[in-house]
Amino acid sequence: GAVVSQHPSWVICKSGTSVKIECRSLDFQATTMFWYRQFPKQSLMLMATSNEGSKATYEQGVEKDKFLINHASLTLSTLTVTSAHPEDSSFYICSAVKSSTDTQYFGPGTRLTVL
Amino acid sequence: DAKTTQPTSMDCAEGRAANLPCNHSTISGNEYVYWYRQIHSQGPQYIIHGLKNNETNEMASLIITEDRKSSTLILPHATLRDTAVYYCIVSVLRGSARQLTFGSGTQLTVLP
Repeated sequence: GAVVSQHPSWVICKSGTSVKIECRSLDFQATTMFWYRQFPKQSLMLMATSNEGSKATYEQGVEKDKFLINHASLTLSTLTVTSAHPEDSSFYICSAVKSSTDTQYFGPGTRLTVL
Repeated sequence: DAKTTQPTSMDCAEGRAANLPCNHSTISGNEYVYWYRQIHSQGPQYIIHGLKNNETNEMASLIITEDRKSSTLILPHATLRDTAVYYCIVSVLRGSARQLTFGSGTQLTVLP
């Protein structure tokens, strides 16, 4: 199997606060995880690549100081949205790479709403 | 990365085979073709992937043309639960992992 979980599944926060989203690979180890963002009626957009034991690599236009990524272990990566604003409201999805199959498996997503 | 072209939407009758086409005419030799699907408000689900040979698993079959410029995903007996957006993605190895760039995909609607 290749199961990826995310927590929380949804969160509502006030503008200016920070929110942490966890991504876990439950039955395999993942050296690499990815974070995506999806706005309504749009496709997934890659935000950053999270590598265990090293700094994340951010896509162009994604602020690394606003979206903090920590890949603490081979089964856990976290995304912290700092000083959230309403325009950060989105569906955040992570994926973990199962190296034996060279395939990304996705979590169920986290719906963030910033008031 | 090679770009892909997919029809915006397709319908399929329940119980019939669903054939989803994808063009990737600029694909290069080390790029794989991946298929994922996304049901509304859920994370994408992996379906199948291949390099140049046809592939089959419990979910679907992937037919890749000999010149690798196009492929077709086949769901042999579509059910209502197969209604989803299907993404055809050509990935390239960057560092130690393959990056996926999602396009607009094909909205497949399975009709009763």
